[in-house]
Amino acid sequence: GAGVSQSPRYKVAKRGQDVALRCDPISGHVSLFWYQQALGQGPEFLTYFQNEAQLDKSGLPSDRFFAERPEGSVSTLKIQRTQQEDSAVYLCASSLSPPGDYEQYFGPGTRLTVT
Amino acid sequence: DQQVKQNSPSLSVQEGRISILNCDYTNSMFDYFLWYKKYPAEGPTFLISISSIKDKNEDGRFTVFLNKSAKHLSLHIVPSQPGDSAVYFCAASANFGNEKLTFGTGTRLTIIP
Repeated sequence: GAGVSQSPRYKVAKRGQDVALRCDPISGHVSLFWYQQALGQGPEFLTYFQNEAQLDKSGLPSDRFFAERPEGSVSTLKIQRTQQEDSAVYLCASSLSPPGDYEQYFGPGTRLTVT
Repeated sequence: DQQVKQNSPSLSVQEGRISILNCDYTNSMFDYFLWYKKYPAEGPTFLISISSIKDKNEDGRFTVFLNKSAKHLSLHIVPSQPGDSAVYFCAASANFGNEKLTFGTGTRLTIIP
């Protein structure tokens, strides 16, 4: 199937390390979203791309978080100097832009554990 | 502040009966609502959506109802099946879905055989 894929599925980082999380959206999907899901909570918005343009980064919790989508397809979420509070599942979603589907389709997520 | 609320953390329903999951929202700018289902170690799977120009949308066993004046929506599953056991998230968006989703905290549905 051609769903959203994310890698790695699991990542353990020592506090202070940098990590990079990858998202491959559904082919042809223009919009790409990153969400953070803490244990027992719903996903929370981090940032949004339309093609290669980052249109909304209001959800990024600090300047340690950086996302890019240089060619309008694959996206990388980078977290510098990881902290324990960064431990969460990071979800990527993609969707077509209107006119068309509005539903966001999610990948399986990357579970990040910072020790 | 929690703009999308799912006040029931869990719900148990007998197989074959109707499951009703509820969701309330506070932001009047929301005009598109979705329900997602999530199994452990998987990403949320889209189930059904409704825009604010409708008050009901049906897809097989799943029906979503929207009451705009009460800022309330509900998901009905009938008949409930064991495979429906999962966590269900309500989500809302402005601009008819072309923006970020705001999620509730989820309701864990358990279908009892």
